[in-house]
Amino acid sequence: DAGVTQSPTHLIKTRGQHVTLRCSPISGHKSVSWYQQVLGQGPQFIFQYYEKEERGRGNFPDRFSARQFPNYSSELNVNALLLGDSALYLCASSSTTGTENTGELFFGEGSRLTVL
Amino acid sequence: AQRVTQPEKLLSVFKGAPVELKCNYSYSGSPELFWYVQYSRQRLQLLLRHISRESIKGFTADLNKGETSFHLKKPFAQEEDSAMYYCALLQGAQKLVFGQGTRLTINP
Repeated sequence: DAGVTQSPTHLIKTRGQHVTLRCSPISGHKSVSWYQQVLGQGPQFIFQYYEKEERGRGNFPDRFSARQFPNYSSELNVNALLLGDSALYLCASSSTTGTENTGELFFGEGSRLTVL
Repeated sequence: AQRVTQPEKLLSVFKGAPVELKCNYSYSGSPELFWYVQYSRQRLQLLLRHISRESIKGFTADLNKGETSFHLKKPFAQEEDSAMYYCALLQGAQKLVFGQGTRLTINP
């Protein structure tokens, strides 16, 4: 198993544009979470999805949205990009059942977004 | 609000010396705490969790509810321990709250 895979690995956008980031979880994992990591900070929770349903949302504006597909892959969308959205976006999958969480997340390598 | 604080951004010790990475938390309930590690050019990965009370790669961490701390310790540092270390708190069933991280450098 290749582990959690994310695409693209790097991308550059300009202010006001839209971006879509993609994530494929480890086979058998039904939960996907998204984290934003700004340089010099720890990862910050954005969303968690389980069985295609949103189970948790962090303190991010409505410009951020996500969804999970029947094959458990996920997309993170960010509209009207701001300079402050420049960050590493991490996807993580887990074997959580949706109501119980072991806290063990398997992270991808991330998508590094630069907004100019 | 739930918060995790790692007071040291950088920590440098010599090989063979003891290591302690500090982590303090604020949480109103019974906390579940973790240490994640990111080695150079590798993904962020779980190192250990307090609930399992295990030692991984010689590291241990004890939850001290009185001091609201979960410090990571190793008696004898090795060069391969050089990495970025994050303390994290499980909030609800959905999310991990991470600290800012500590970059540990082991000098030969």
